[in-house]
Order: sequence, then structure tokens, then C-alpha cells
Amino acid sequence: GESVGLHLPTLSVQEGDNSIINCAYSNSASDYFIWYKQESGKGPQFIIDIRSNMDKRQGQRVTVLLNKTVKHLSLQIAATQPGDSAVYFCAENRGQGGKLIFGQGTELSVKP
Amino acid sequence: KAGVTQTPRYLIKTRGQQVTLSCSPISGHRSVSWYQQTPGQGLQFLFEYFSETQRNKGNFPGRFSGRQFSNSRSEMNVSTLELGDSALYLCASNSAMNTEAFFGQGTRLTVV
Repeated sequence: GESVGLHLPTLSVQEGDNSIINCAYSNSASDYFIWYKQESGKGPQFIIDIRSNMDKRQGQRVTVLLNKTVKHLSLQIAATQPGDSAVYFCAENRGQGGKLIFGQGTELSVKP
Repeated sequence: KAGVTQTPRYLIKTRGQQVTLSCSPISGHRSVSWYQQTPGQGLQFLFEYFSETQRNKGNFPGRFSGRQFSNSRSEMNVSTLELGDSALYLCASNSAMNTEAFFGQGTRLTVV
């Protein structure tokens, strides 16, 4: 089916380090991207989004970078905490209403 | 403001049966989307409803159907259940196009 690809299925980091989660997308027409965090037993939770007319957006401890030339998206988490342990998904909107195409997910594990 | 509410949280059904899942979006949101999440396929888009009309449809067989009511609440139905339909079914609502989708906790369907 349709999907946005992720480079790494798992990522393990030390508490306090920075984490970088990557995502590749294939459709150059995509104009809106979102990162979600999903904890066990819960639905995906919005983290940060970015539109295609931007290349960087910052939130609290998180930064999303968009490189349209190579169709690449990344999520950077500063000072990673144990509470950040979860599966992270990138998703893209291709201008089709509310329809989102999700990547396969990266499991982030934070070691204390 | 209440979030997206999905009922029931858990369901166990037998092959060949049918099932109906319910989703109440955030108040004021008119777009409701449904996703199927499995370990093998990740998050797959099923369909989206906006103002009681199906606006987008994913690549699922006709056994999967949905509808939306005038109060924006949505239901999805799966007929003639198969073992492979076992999954977490997630509902998301949007306030407008190209805005973040807010997810419910999901309904865990097990087909035996």
C-alpha cells in the first residue's frame, strides 16, 4: 500500500542525548507533514508539523527539518527523556482532504 | 474540550461475523478518518468522511464501509470478518484540511 518510508525501525539512546529520527517520502506533491508519537495502548499523539513552504520548525525540545530536494524529513528530540520512549511516525498529506499516509514507525528506546 | 472518543475499546468476534465501531470526533470537527493498524502493515488509511460524505477511500475491500451522521459522529462496519482483520482501528478528526489530525485511543478488534 501507500507508505512513507523510515530509515531505521529502532533507535536506542542514552537519557540526555539528542535523538534524530528520519523519514523519506516519495510524493513531491505532498505539502504537509506531521510527526506523531504513539505509546503502548494509546492512539498517535501529535508532536509537530511542517508545511512544504518551510524547511525547519521548532517546538518544545523538538525540531522538524524538511528537505524537499531529497524528499527527507527528520525529527530531532533534544535532551531525550525516558518519557520519550515510544514509536514515532511521520505522516504526509498529499492534498487529499484529511487523508494521511504514514511511515512504518521508529521505536525509540531511552536508556536511563 | 473532549478528545476523540472511540467505542468499544476491545472486541472479540468470530470469523464470518460483522462488527460496527463508533467514533465521536472533537466538537466542531467535521472530518473523520479511519485507519487500520497492524504490526505487519503499520497504519493504513481506510476512509475519510466530511459533512456526511465519503471524501477519500483507501485500498481496502468492500467489506469495510463507513458512514457519518449529521452530528459528525462516524461508524465503520466490517462484514464477513476474516482473521486478518484483527487490528487496532483508529479514528482521527480534523478541523480543516492540512491541519493536524487528533486520534482516539482506538478499538482493538480480535477475530477468532
